[in-house]
Amino acid sequence: AQTVTQSQPEMSVQEAETVTLSCTYDTSESDYYLFWYKQPPSRQMILVIRQEAYKQQNATENRFSVNFQKAAKSFSLKISDSQLGDAAMYFCAYRSANQGGSEKLVFGKGTKLTVNP
Amino acid sequence: GAVVSQHPSRVICKSGTSVKIECRSLDFQATTMFWYRQFPKQSLMLMATSNEGSKATYEQGVEKDKFLINHASLTLSTLTVTSAHPEDSSFYICSATTSGRTDTQYFGPGTRLTVL
Repeated sequence: AQTVTQSQPEMSVQEAETVTLSCTYDTSESDYYLFWYKQPPSRQMILVIRQEAYKQQNATENRFSVNFQKAAKSFSLKISDSQLGDAAMYFCAYRSANQGGSEKLVFGKGTKLTVNP
Repeated sequence: GAVVSQHPSRVICKSGTSVKIECRSLDFQATTMFWYRQFPKQSLMLMATSNEGSKATYEQGVEKDKFLINHASLTLSTLTVTSAHPEDSSFYICSATTSGRTDTQYFGPGTRLTVL
């Protein structure tokens, strides 16, 4: 079974600075998707970024980028120019891409990000 | 695009009553919908997966007779908590995938259930 580990329960960053959130995963599959979701105090889960494992290029969405290291099974999220609105719980998630594989998302336990003004 | 709504956002009920939560995909047809439960300061726990017109697939340990899921159309799934008890109090979240992109789940805003 796949597992997702977020080793940082809490992180903090100064406004306008850069922060990196860690995520590692364990799988025997070769094709899969990785996601970062954000859950602010409103508790609405928001998709931040999506990575397809077969793509070597790291995904980027404006101030959010990932460092995807497939061999190391690592998928970290970098937030540049942090803003107060980035304060939230961040969840890393895995989904199989194999034909007939599970559609389920496997979530990490989350990292609570605080942004200090 | 890919907006999912839930109704109600909050519900308080007495012990022993049943509560229905609706999950709707507003601007797309949802091939699959998922129901999660989230306890405070914890991650999401998948309860069940449902496809339109077929029975839901429940995760191990989830009582299917207690948490009834109906996915009657491509835009609506409902979760009914039957004979609710205080331990059922939680935050319930649904998500949906589109036929065009089945790999990505889009989440509803959640429903906070409090059972007195």
